[in-house]
Amino acid sequence: DAKTTQPNSMESNEEEPVHLPCNHSTISGTDYIHWYRQLPSQGPEYVIHGLTSNVNNRMASLAIAEDRKSSTLILHRATLRDAAVYYCILRDLRNNLFFGTGTRLTVIP
Amino acid sequence: EAGVTQFPSHSVIEKGQTVTLRCDPISGHDNLYWYRRVMGKEIKFLLHFVKESKQDESGMPNNRFLAERTGGTYSTLKVQPAELEDSGVYFCASSQAGPQGGWLHEQYFGPGTRLTVT
Repeated sequence: DAKTTQPNSMESNEEEPVHLPCNHSTISGTDYIHWYRQLPSQGPEYVIHGLTSNVNNRMASLAIAEDRKSSTLILHRATLRDAAVYYCILRDLRNNLFFGTGTRLTVIP
Repeated sequence: EAGVTQFPSHSVIEKGQTVTLRCDPISGHDNLYWYRRVMGKEIKFLLHFVKESKQDESGMPNNRFLAERTGGTYSTLKVQPAELEDSGVYFCASSQAGPQGGWLHEQYFGPGTRLTVT
């Protein structure tokens, strides 16, 4: 299963943008890049996904490098409710998710 | 619309006993997945149902684990007999069927069942 590498933790001030990086140098041509987050005491929650082009939705933006070996999840204005563990996941053709250790985001008021 | 629900929220059993976890997916979702996080480890995929059929069970750890989805609605995951290393949080997720029998990307997760084996 393809692997991703993320920083263990990051901090952000409230209402400032947050850029969460992810490296996935062994990504294959058919792997989609998914981001999920897990708030305390809850199950993971879908955030966004992409294949080659940058993507935007109501929650976040996903910037994908041209060679697809890295990506960045962008939260445009962090709020206290965005404090969570963010997982960058490569999803293969089976649609099964393989979670790594994720990045714990702390939002400072 | 109700989300994915799991029952019980917490179960404490003794080693050697049997436990059955239940997952009710979002209505109409053909795809159902089981994952688990055991102590200190990452969330791991267990298996994937499409309707009542097991699409992929490559993540099931051993034959003490049995998953069923009779009728293609709710699913159960039975652990028999439970061992200490089975302690952790078991998550269920569901997703809609996509075009041409595939799947849509977003998986909706339940809150999990915390299993403690003593």
